[in-house]
Amino acid sequence: DGGITQSPKYLFRKEGQNVTLSCEQNLNHDAMYWYRQDPGQGLRLIYYSQIVNDFQKGDIAEGYSVSREKKESFPLTVTSAQKNPTAFYLCASTSGRGIGEAFFGQGTRLTVV
Amino acid sequence: RKEVEQDPGPFNVPEGATVAFNCTYSNSASQSFFWYRQDCRKEPKLLMSVYSSGNEDGRFTAQLNRASQYISLLIRDSKLSDSATYLCVVKGEDSSYKLIFGSGTRLLVRP
Repeated sequence: DGGITQSPKYLFRKEGQNVTLSCEQNLNHDAMYWYRQDPGQGLRLIYYSQIVNDFQKGDIAEGYSVSREKKESFPLTVTSAQKNPTAFYLCASTSGRGIGEAFFGQGTRLTVV
Repeated sequence: RKEVEQDPGPFNVPEGATVAFNCTYSNSASQSFFWYRQDCRKEPKLLMSVYSSGNEDGRFTAQLNRASQYISLLIRDSKLSDSATYLCVVKGEDSSYKLIFGSGTRLLVRP
C-alpha cells in the first residue's frame, strides 16, 4: 500500500544531541513537508521541499536542518541549536504543486530528557 | 497578523446541533483551501477541499469567500464522533507549494 512512513514513533534525546527523524513516502509525490505541533497548538511549518535537492525554510526553521537527496525521503535533523525541541513532529507529502490532498505520517514524538 | 487564523474554541454543542467554523487568511493570492480533521494525538486527515463554488459532503458544507478572505465549515446534525480539532489549510500562490495550517478549532459534541 502507498503511504508515508515516519520513524521512530517515539524518540528521546539528551540535551546537546542532534537527532534525525526519518520520513519516507512511496506515493511518488513531489512535495514534502515537516511540521511541528506543540500541545493544544496547530501545525507550524519547519521546512518544505518541492523537488529533489531543493528545499525552503518555513516559519520556524531555526535549529533544524533537512535534506532531499531522493524523491522518497525527507529526513529532518533537530540540532542542539533548537532550544525547545520537545514536540510532535509530522511529515507530509502532496502531489502536483501542493494542490492535492496532503498525506501525513503518523508522527514522531520527540522528548528531551 | 497570522497567515491563517481560526477561533480555537472549544465549541461545546449537543448531539444533533449545527455548528459553523470560520477561518481567515491573509494572502489574497492563495489558491487552494482545505479542511482537515485531527483526533487527539493523531495525524491530521483531509475532511474536504474547499472550492470557489462551495461544496457539500453529507453533513459537511464548506464555503469560500474570496472577497472577505475566509473559508467556512458547517456541520449539521452533529454526532459524538465529530468531536475533534478542525484545521483550516491554505496553499499559497500558484507558484508556491507552501501549505499553511491554522491553529485549529476544537469541537466537543456532548450526548
